[in-house]
Amino acid sequence: DTAVSQTPKYLVTQMGNDKSIKCEQNLGHDTMYWYKQDSKKFLKIMFSYNNKELIINETVPNRFSPKSPDKAHLNLHINSLELGDSAVYFCASSQVFRNQETQYFGPGTRLLVL
Amino acid sequence: DAKTTQPPSMDCAEGRAANLPCNHSTISGNEYVYWYRQIHSQGPQYIIHGLKNNETNEMASLIITEDRKSSTLILPHATLRDTAVYYCIVMIGISSGSARQLTFGSGTQLTVLP
Repeated sequence: DTAVSQTPKYLVTQMGNDKSIKCEQNLGHDTMYWYKQDSKKFLKIMFSYNNKELIINETVPNRFSPKSPDKAHLNLHINSLELGDSAVYFCASSQVFRNQETQYFGPGTRLLVL
Repeated sequence: DAKTTQPPSMDCAEGRAANLPCNHSTISGNEYVYWYRQIHSQGPQYIIHGLKNNETNEMASLIITEDRKSSTLILPHATLRDTAVYYCIVMIGISSGSARQLTFGSGTQLTVLP
């Protein structure tokens, strides 16, 4: 009954490969996010979708392509992986109540590019 | 969104109250103060938020000064499991259907000591 789940938890792959990370939320939220946490532990937003529509797209290489098949899922596909893509990727979903937003995060996907 | 300043680290004895300060001197009238934490190797976790009144929930209390330029997160009886990085984030209110990125700074590393 995990609220926000991500698969896989760990991903080790070679440079140049293409990989996908999946995220699912069972909270009924309309908005989902992808964040990246680098080796220095800074968390940065990458993308946000609301009801399957892209609404935040930070300066991220176009090798990263999010896809939201429905509002409960937000997947992240990465083409031509590079060493610098190694990081922890967190998915989140959020609800807004009286213009106050609370975000709920998944457990993270630890990506290591060799 | 207003910038926040937090001490890089704090220690607290188990069972005692942990008081985590945050300065947000440039906060504007429609910006909320949010607190999240990240326990090692986990996704960030929402704790509490407020606008100008003090708030309390099952996890913590939030004290916001009258001028709203600073706030304190209080964990009333810290346990070892509260050891984490605590992030103070200031964010404007949003409408349903939109999204706001959480801008995580470097936070405060709270270590609860046995």
